[in-house]
Amino acid sequence: GAVVSQHPSRVICKSGTSVKIECRSLDFQATTMFWYRQFPKQSLMLMATSNEGSKATYEQGVEKDKFLINHASLTLSTLTVTSAHPEDSSFYICSARDLFSGNTIYFGEGSWLTVV
Amino acid sequence: KQEVTQIPAALSVPEGENLVLNCSFTDSAIYNLQWFRQDPGKGLTSLLLIQSSQREQTSGRLNASLDKSSGRSTLYIAASQPGDSATYLCAVSTAWKVSSNTGKLIFGQGTTLQVKP
Repeated sequence: GAVVSQHPSRVICKSGTSVKIECRSLDFQATTMFWYRQFPKQSLMLMATSNEGSKATYEQGVEKDKFLINHASLTLSTLTVTSAHPEDSSFYICSARDLFSGNTIYFGEGSWLTVV
Repeated sequence: KQEVTQIPAALSVPEGENLVLNCSFTDSAIYNLQWFRQDPGKGLTSLLLIQSSQREQTSGRLNASLDKSSGRSTLYIAASQPGDSATYLCAVSTAWKVSSNTGKLIFGQGTTLQVKP
């Protein structure tokens, strides 16, 4: 079946630095990818919709300048957390839409970010 | 605004029991509904997907139903096993429009299931 790969699976960074998380669709093209955030023991909250070749659409309350999303190719979207703070520590997970399998959504394995 | 609610938040059952997890949503204009499983610290595994035109889907010991008009879905797990212990998430996809960014998933809070041996 279709696979979505996220990298890194775990990352620790210092406050004030930036960290990039990659989301790749391995065997299908994804014109649309979605980035979610999950705090411990809470559900997933959509952060933004990433569209290949255009700007991402952010959900209300999500800072565009802090969470930079780039979707430069049909198989790769990146989320960059800029000037990270400890409160940005969370589980970030992406999903990708496969147009040619009935718009099925596939999820990555997620990335744990810890800001110290 | 679409809201998804799952009841109960947590459930503990002895092995072998049949159980039902509930999901309700406020806006019936959905494209589909999915049930996911999430193990602690892990990503999501899709269990069942029900299109808006369907009433139910089955996979092994799992059966999911959808009543779009009443905004409800249930996930039935037969003969539960300790390996079924996980958090189960229900998510609805908004009505799909090519020209917009709809199709995103709105998740419920999840039901954490523990199946005791």
